[in-house]
Amino acid sequence: EPEVTQTPSHQVTQMGQEVILHCVPISNHLYFYWYRQILGQKVEFLVSFYNNEISEKSEIFDDQFSVERPDGSNFTLKIRSTKLEDSAMYFCASRPNRVVDYGYTFGSGTRLTVV
Amino acid sequence: AQKVTQAQTEISVVEKEDVTLDCVYETRDTTYYLFWYKQPPSGELVFLIRRNSFDEQNEISGRYSWNFQKSTSSFNFTITASQVVDSAVYFCALVRGNQGAQKLVFGQGTRLTINP
Repeated sequence: EPEVTQTPSHQVTQMGQEVILHCVPISNHLYFYWYRQILGQKVEFLVSFYNNEISEKSEIFDDQFSVERPDGSNFTLKIRSTKLEDSAMYFCASRPNRVVDYGYTFGSGTRLTVV
Repeated sequence: AQKVTQAQTEISVVEKEDVTLDCVYETRDTTYYLFWYKQPPSGELVFLIRRNSFDEQNEISGRYSWNFQKSTSSFNFTITASQVVDSAVYFCALVRGNQGAQKLVFGQGTRLTINP
């Protein structure tokens, strides 16, 4: 069964440093997403991406965040200058054209710890 | 705007008991999809079920069953004869429409603990 792959599984970084989280979506999927889950809280939408541009972003996704699909397979989330409150689990997800076809496939997440 | 409410923050039962997790949603769309995900202690999100707004048939999968009622905007999840391995956080989620870059909107989650 196809998978969404996220690396690394756990990253520790110092406050103020830049981090890049990596995701390899399912190859024939068209829509890509990043979600965030602060420990013990709900899963929150960050951004959706389609046709090489952002479709929608949440209030959380401010100027410190950016996404890229640099080579047609990887989908990255960059946080330019991390803050303590960026510590969370970050999930990547992808989806085919129609929700009915399969729905959303989530990666296993990257746990980001900012110290 | 879409909203999903899981009023039960935590539930604790003894193994073999039946347990129902509640999910109430809000949307103005006529076409939408509802999901349930399981998040075990390892942290990943495990897909359990997807249901579209035009299909109100209840579904059963082994010990799991789902009750979708549009009249009350609810999509409840029942685990029969619960087991310790069912201990996890369960999320209900909603997406509007069938196409486009629509996002999943999650509820707050219900932490289910099954005690031996």
